[in-house]
Amino acid sequence: DIQLTQSPSFLSASVGDRVTITCRASHDISNYLAWYQQKPGKAPKLLIFGASTLQGGVPSRFSGSGSGTEFSLTINSLQPEDFATYYCQQLKTYPRTFGQGTKVEIK
Amino acid sequence: QVQLVESGGGVVQPGKSLRLSCAASGFPFGSYIIHWVRQAPGKGLEWVGVTSYDGSNEYYADSVKGRFTISRDNSKNTLYLHMNSLRAEDTAVYYCTRENYNILTGFYTGFDYWGQGNLVSVSS
Repeated sequence: DIQLTQSPSFLSASVGDRVTITCRASHDISNYLAWYQQKPGKAPKLLIFGASTLQGGVPSRFSGSGSGTEFSLTINSLQPEDFATYYCQQLKTYPRTFGQGTKVEIK
Repeated sequence: QVQLVESGGGVVQPGKSLRLSCAASGFPFGSYIIHWVRQAPGKGLEWVGVTSYDGSNEYYADSVKGRFTISRDNSKNTLYLHMNSLRAEDTAVYYCTRENYNILTGFYTGFDYWGQGNLVSVSS
């Protein structure tokens, strides 16, 4: 199975900050990586697929990069509605594993 | 619009069985792979399993293999999760979610629609 390790697990930031979350895969997954945002009590929301392609309707302050085993999600100019938990997920093979999550909280 | 609506959750005793349903609408159900994902209280997302478009192939997480079975009825636009020998650690919100696919590139493009979630609580 492919393991995904996110860092950090917890991040404290202010409105307007630029934040970056990293996701490392245990095996080469090319660009078969997605990012999700989840708010408390809600289903996850797809932000990015193909490591860097923004899902329709997602603000352009979100961006993704990487390939192979190292990936990152960057949020430019953090907005109040961006405080949430973020997950990466590999789409290369089954099981479709998720990272453990990164909680972004208000400083 | 695309909708996925789970039902069938509730409180169940350890060792018992439960069946969840996921009713889909707003898209050609038989053309999409639908997964089950769960989230234990205060924990992260865990992929549970999936069945192929026609239900002929299934894949499961090791944590549920041999106890859970996924089936689908394309005539009813419904996906099922049959859960047997339930354990306390199966307590979670269960989501059904659609995986999108680019037919031109052959590229999977993520889980783009999710149900609202359905709580299963395993407790004596």
